[in-house]
Amino acid sequence: AQTVTQSQPEMSVQEAETVTLSCTYDTSENNYYLFWYKQPPSRQMILVIRQEAYKQQNATENRFSVNFQKAAKSFSLKISDSQLGDTAMYFCAFMKDNDYKLSFGAGTTVTVRA
Amino acid sequence: DTGVSQDPRHKITKRGQNVTFRCDPISEHNRLYWYRQTLGQGPEFLTYFQNEAQLEKSRLLSDRFSAERPKGSFSTLEIQRTEQGDSAMYLCASSSVGRVNYGYTFGSGTRLTVV
Repeated sequence: AQTVTQSQPEMSVQEAETVTLSCTYDTSENNYYLFWYKQPPSRQMILVIRQEAYKQQNATENRFSVNFQKAAKSFSLKISDSQLGDTAMYFCAFMKDNDYKLSFGAGTTVTVRA
Repeated sequence: DTGVSQDPRHKITKRGQNVTFRCDPISEHNRLYWYRQTLGQGPEFLTYFQNEAQLEKSRLLSDRFSAERPKGSFSTLEIQRTEQGDSAMYLCASSSVGRVNYGYTFGSGTRLTVV
């Protein structure tokens, strides 16, 4: 089984500032996929960003970017220019290649302060 | 298409009662997944369907749980003789076979409280 660890239960950031969420994972697989999902309060979970393990280039989606360190099994998420709407719980997730199950971390609650 | 729909959004039930949740996936998605999320934790895999076939069930899915997806469309998750430990958010998600590695589309979940 894959283990995904998010060591920061809560993070707080001032509006317009940058915050970085950490995620580490444990796997013996060489090919896999990593995801960050956002779950706003009482709303559905949505995909923020996705990384393919065989691609060295870090994924970027607008204000969201990742720092993927395969050897260290680390996959951090950087939220730049934080907005109030970024307030949510963020989950890091892992999926093996040719699989369909997601393994999630425990989540990090991000609060953006006005 | 309005995405993945789950009904009800909230359910409060007494211990020992049976409950049933419904999930309507995105129409062109042939894979459907159920996850359970307890407070302060990430979602955990319960089961998944490809079309109408239930292809895997987690050990978390005890004999009191049953899921169906008749005709490969909507799915239901039933919990019999509910226990307080069943209190959780039950999430449904869907994907197409060829794009599962691009992540799922999740519904808003059904929050179950067993009193």
